[in-house]
Amino acid sequence: AQSVSQHNHHVILSEAASLELGCNYSYGGTVNLFWYVQYPGQHLQLLLKYFSGDPLVKGIKGFEAEFIKSKFSFNLRKPSVQWSDTAEYFCAVRGSGGSNYKLTFGKGTLLTVNP
Amino acid sequence: EADIYQTPRYLVIGTGKKITLECSQTMGHDKMYWYQQDPGMELHLIHYSYGVNSTEKGDLSSESTVSRIRTEHFPLTLESARPSHTSQYLCASSGGITSTDTQYFGPGTRLTVL
Repeated sequence: AQSVSQHNHHVILSEAASLELGCNYSYGGTVNLFWYVQYPGQHLQLLLKYFSGDPLVKGIKGFEAEFIKSKFSFNLRKPSVQWSDTAEYFCAVRGSGGSNYKLTFGKGTLLTVNP
Repeated sequence: EADIYQTPRYLVIGTGKKITLECSQTMGHDKMYWYQQDPGMELHLIHYSYGVNSTEKGDLSSESTVSRIRTEHFPLTLESARPSHTSQYLCASSGGITSTDTQYFGPGTRLTVL
């Protein structure tokens, strides 16, 4: 069975600080990887996704993530955070191929950015 | 991006009531999902459907039931609500092949059972 671990439950940063949120997954085959974001009072939105190819994926709002297969990791990064990045961030994994469309989510990381 | 609608957004009801949470999408996606999310916890898949008249239970056991009579509609029903059903329920849909399939989420229904 696949699983996802997000190491940081709550991260607090000041504006302009750099961000890295950890995500490790457990799965024995090829994977598709996702980061979703949930801003306060809003629905879950797709931030970025990795299917294949270049392991460095760029998403919306200046976010990027790097897939490191040897480390089973898909960490999310942003060089300079803004107050508006305050949100909860969820990493998700799916075994690719076959007829499996189900996602497995991590517990989420709450990011608070202080102005 | 998919347009997914959930109603009601908030619901407070008493124990024993029957409720139906509505979910509709306008993108013609063939696959739809229901997740349960508690504060500080991951989303748990409770039901999914890969097409009309096809429904499956997810990874988290749930006393709810679902139906998929129309492509765009995927309602979730609790025959007799209990306080343990208090949670947020998220609906999602997707329409790609496995190598590119991406789920898009609705705004959620926050259910409180007294």
